[in-house]
Amino acid sequence: RKEVEQDPGPFNVPEGATVAFNCTYSNSASQSFFWYRQDCRKEPKLLMSVYSSGNEDGRFTAQLNRASQYISLLIRDSKLSDSATYLCVVRWTGNQFYFGTGTSLTVIP
Amino acid sequence: EAGVAQSPRYKIIEKRQSVAFWCNPISGHATLYWYQQILGQGPKLLIQFQNNGVVDDSQLPKDRFSAERLKGVDSTLKIQPAKLEDSAVYLCASSLAAYTTDTQYFGPGTRLTVL
Repeated sequence: RKEVEQDPGPFNVPEGATVAFNCTYSNSASQSFFWYRQDCRKEPKLLMSVYSSGNEDGRFTAQLNRASQYISLLIRDSKLSDSATYLCVVRWTGNQFYFGTGTSLTVIP
Repeated sequence: EAGVAQSPRYKIIEKRQSVAFWCNPISGHATLYWYQQILGQGPKLLIQFQNNGVVDDSQLPKDRFSAERLKGVDSTLKIQPAKLEDSAVYLCASSLAAYTTDTQYFGPGTRLTVL
C-alpha cells in the first residue's frame, strides 16, 4: 500500500463549479498534512496546511479525518487559474514527507 | 526574498555517465531537501539535511546517488553512474527548520534526461 494515495483524475470541470479531491494515508502516526499545487513543468507550491478542525482559505476548504486517515480539499467557484495538479502531502514522525501522485484539475471556460 | 536556486535547469546525459546538481536554499533556512519527481508521479524524498547533517536518507539509492551540504548552506546531489530510470526532475526545497508545520519552498528543479 502506498503511503499516500490520491485519485489522479483528471477532473475536468466548468468555471464556477465546486470540485473535491480526496487523499488517504497509511500511517496513523502521521503528524502534519498539506495540500500543494503544482502547475505544468513548475515546482510545487504550498496551497494550505490542513488542521484537525478543518480550515478555509477563500474558496478553498481543507478537512482532516484522523480516524479514517483521510484528507480532502474542496474548491468552490472554480476559476480557470485553478487548473493545476494538486498534491496531498503527509509528514510522518521523523520528519519524513510523503507526496501523493497528485490530482489533475482542468477548469473549462 | 530570493527563492531556492538550482542549476542546471536541464541536463541530458548518456547512461553510465555522471552528473551533479547544485542547490542554494533560501538564506537562513536550516533544512534542505532533495526530491526526485518522475513524470506522472509525486515528488519522492531522497535526502534531508538539517544544517550540514543528514536527517533522513532512507530512500536515497546509495550505490549511485550521493549528496553533501558541507557548510550547511549550498548542497550538491550526484549520480554516478546514471541509469535510464534516473530520468526525472530533481527538486531542491528548503525550510526554516524541521518543525512539523514548517513550509517547504521548492526550487525550479533540474530536468534530467538519461539516454
